[in-house]
Amino acid sequence: GESVGLHLPTLSVQEGDNSIINCAYSNSASDYFIWYKQESGKGPQFIIDIRSNMDKRQGQRVTVLLNKTVKHLSLQIAATQPGDSAVYFCAENGRGGSNYKLTFGKGTLLTVNP
Amino acid sequence: DTGVSQNPRHKITKRGQNVTFRCDPISEHNRLYWYRQTLGQGPEFLTYFQNEAQLEKSRLLSDRFSAERPKGSFSTLEIQRTEQGDSAMYLCASSLYGVHEKLFFGSGTQLSVL
Repeated sequence: GESVGLHLPTLSVQEGDNSIINCAYSNSASDYFIWYKQESGKGPQFIIDIRSNMDKRQGQRVTVLLNKTVKHLSLQIAATQPGDSAVYFCAENGRGGSNYKLTFGKGTLLTVNP
Repeated sequence: DTGVSQNPRHKITKRGQNVTFRCDPISEHNRLYWYRQTLGQGPEFLTYFQNEAQLEKSRLLSDRFSAERPKGSFSTLEIQRTEQGDSAMYLCASSLYGVHEKLFFGSGTQLSVL
């Protein structure tokens, strides 16, 4: 069935390095994608989103890239800090229009070493 | 704190007991969602409300589960005759319906069924 998946379950980086977290999706009807950060014991925290009519969007220290040709999404975190250590999920809406009923991937655990 | 609030944060119960969780969304948000998350997995959609109307329920939501949002504000999720397989984090999210709709999650209720 349609699903959102992640290439790497864990990622370990040094403080100050850039991090790249990847995500593959299979639902060609998806037109909205989101990255969430989840720290231990907390709910997912919205980081950045992108619509399918864009291929790049930048936020504060974060950039999301969307490649619709290969159905791939990535999250780039610049100058990674210890506070960035968390599980990162990509999610997609699986349909056009409203953004409810998100489908989440399994998540990537990012560990930032001081 | 004006985010999504969930109570209780933790609930331990014995198999067969009924439990009820509460979610208070962000005040101006007209949509409210329930998701379930098990260890190492991304959240899975259970159901959502627009104002007081429950518009969709996932197949994951068995007959033992019922959700309400009687006045279009807070919501409750009740699980009857709990089973060990119900052990999970129950997440509530809210959003303001529209083109730029974003889901904001609460910290969840961790349910342990013994």
